[in-house]
Amino acid sequence: TAGITQAPTSQILAAGRSMTLRCTQDMRHNAMYWYRQDLGLGLRLIHYSNTAGTTGKGEVPDGYSVSRANTDDFPLTLASAVPSQTSVYFCASTSLAGGVQFFGPGTRLTVL
Amino acid sequence: RKEVEQDPGPFNVPEGATVAFNCTYSNSASQSFFWYRQDCRKEPKLLMSVYSSGNEDGRFTAQLNRASQYISLLIRDSKLSDSATYLCVVTSGGFKTIFGAGTRLFVKA
Repeated sequence: TAGITQAPTSQILAAGRSMTLRCTQDMRHNAMYWYRQDLGLGLRLIHYSNTAGTTGKGEVPDGYSVSRANTDDFPLTLASAVPSQTSVYFCASTSLAGGVQFFGPGTRLTVL
Repeated sequence: RKEVEQDPGPFNVPEGATVAFNCTYSNSASQSFFWYRQDCRKEPKLLMSVYSSGNEDGRFTAQLNRASQYISLLIRDSKLSDSATYLCVVTSGGFKTIFGAGTRLFVKA
């Protein structure tokens, strides 16, 4: 079982360009999340989706958008990247509210 | 005040030592508690859930103190492979989950 996959593994992006980070899970989990992790700040929630067709804003949503067209996929889009969006991005999923979250391997993004 | 706070460390301990981490949370309505482990440049992975009665998994013991709003993780007989960052995780109803910033542990030979 693959669990959660993310693509790309890493990316260098010019400021002002757009990019979509992909996340796919094969566990049929209802809820999915996008976090960014920066040194000293821990994981911060960007957006979440409790079920297919719904999304919500997390702690740091500005500059990011998401969609949840089906259960398996939860892409994160940066419409116009800025250097402060340089970070490691993790996608996660869980089957139950308040349950254990399973993480993808992460995407390292550098915006120059 | 952060919703979940941890001592960032680092904790530097020799092999075989016992080490303990604490984590405090601010929301008294918090419902579920976990410890995750994160290795350098890797994704976080569940280490263990934390139950009200306390629970043990091999060399690891987790405890919850609701009155004082903290959870703890005790590692006995530390191994080199225990070197990692340990994240305290608290859920507060629905799908809201808060991660602590982590405590770094280095176990030395």
